[in-house]
This record gives sequence, structure tokens and C-alpha cells, in this order.
Amino acid sequence: SQQGEEDPQALSIQEGENATMNCSYKTSINNLQWYRQNSGRGLVHLILIRSNEREKHSGRLRVTLDTSKKSSSLLITASRAADTASYFCATSNDYKLSFGAGTTVTVRA
Amino acid sequence: NAGVMQNPRHLVRRRGQEARLRCSPMKGHSHVYWYRQLPEEGLKFMVYLQKENIIDESGMPKERFSAEFPKEGPSILRIQQVVRGDSAAYFCASSLDSGTGASDTQYFGPGTRLTVL
Repeated sequence: SQQGEEDPQALSIQEGENATMNCSYKTSINNLQWYRQNSGRGLVHLILIRSNEREKHSGRLRVTLDTSKKSSSLLITASRAADTASYFCATSNDYKLSFGAGTTVTVRA
Repeated sequence: NAGVMQNPRHLVRRRGQEARLRCSPMKGHSHVYWYRQLPEEGLKFMVYLQKENIIDESGMPKERFSAEFPKEGPSILRIQQVVRGDSAAYFCASSLDSGTGASDTQYFGPGTRLTVL
């Protein structure tokens, strides 16, 4: 079964608003990664957070990790039209990434 | 530094034909991973290879699928006697390290979209 499960499945927001999506997983992990995929394209690595970290920032991205709840969140602040994409969380215990089905984010101009 | 390269980007095959998908990892990366993505789904792990070695092929179907990463040249994912259910996007990723190492981020290629008629 899939390790990571994103929520919500789809999100539509106005440009300038913040977008928050969540990821829950089932078993212990070494790290959790977030990727973006534009329609019909490859995956772009956004951020990696290790199991001993609680929060990480990268530009307009903020990722949190709560290992006690087995969940993570990705926050995109001040969204832009170019942020329209699918976002996936991927958990890892070793080298094998387990992906959820993703959250599709649409940013309206 | 070029990223992960995959070719072809699109591949159309008729049922029963063979499909060969190629992946060149990022420069300096010796760990290669193949994933498959069905429409509206996340990526599913297929196989992990290092140079000349298959480390883990637990996600790969037992029949018709094979992978290699020779000493020289790209990694190849080979699908023999393709069926319609093989239609998917196949992504390759590479990393400098693996597991819990400091450089274990996997960088993905643009994918090969296989369509079986």
C-alpha cells in the first residue's frame, strides 16, 4: 500500500493566497521529501526533511514534520500562477521512495 | 551540470513489441532508480541499480521486465512483449548516495511516456 497519502486531493486558490497540503504516512521513516510535477512533466525536488527535524524553509516553501502523528505539511506562501502543479510527498526508510497520489494545486490569476 | 536525461520522451509500441527506455544519471551519480506512474497516481518504485548491479528489483514485474546499468553507458529498462497495461510514464532518478546518507536526494528525469496500442 502507498506510504504517503496527501490531503486534499485538489486545491484551488487565488494568486497571492497561501496553499497548505498535508501528507500522512504509516510506518517509521528516515526522511520525507516533497516534489512538484507540472502536467505531463517530470518531478522537481522541492525539499527534504529528516526525521529528526521539525520544520524547514526554502524560499516561499515551509515544511513541517510531526513524527508522533506521522504527518507532514507543505505550505506555499504568496502563491503564483506558476505554482499550479501536482505536489507529492515521498517517504523513505532507505533508498526506496514511496509516493502518495498527490495534491493538485490550481492557482487562479 | 546536466540533470538526469531520459530518452525517448515518448514511445509508441504495438502489443507484443519490445520497449527500451534509457536513462543517463546526473554526472557523478552512481545510484539509479526506476519508477512507474499510472495516470492520476503517484510513482511506484520498480528497481534500484548501481553500476553493474541490481540492488533491489522488488517493484518490478517478474516477467517481461528487466533493467541494467552497465559499466559504460546509460541504464536501460526493457519491457518485452508489451501489453496495453504497460502504458504509463516511466521515470528514472539518480542520487549521489543512497539510504540515509547526506546526499540521498533523488533527482528525477523528465520521464518516458509509453503508449501501447
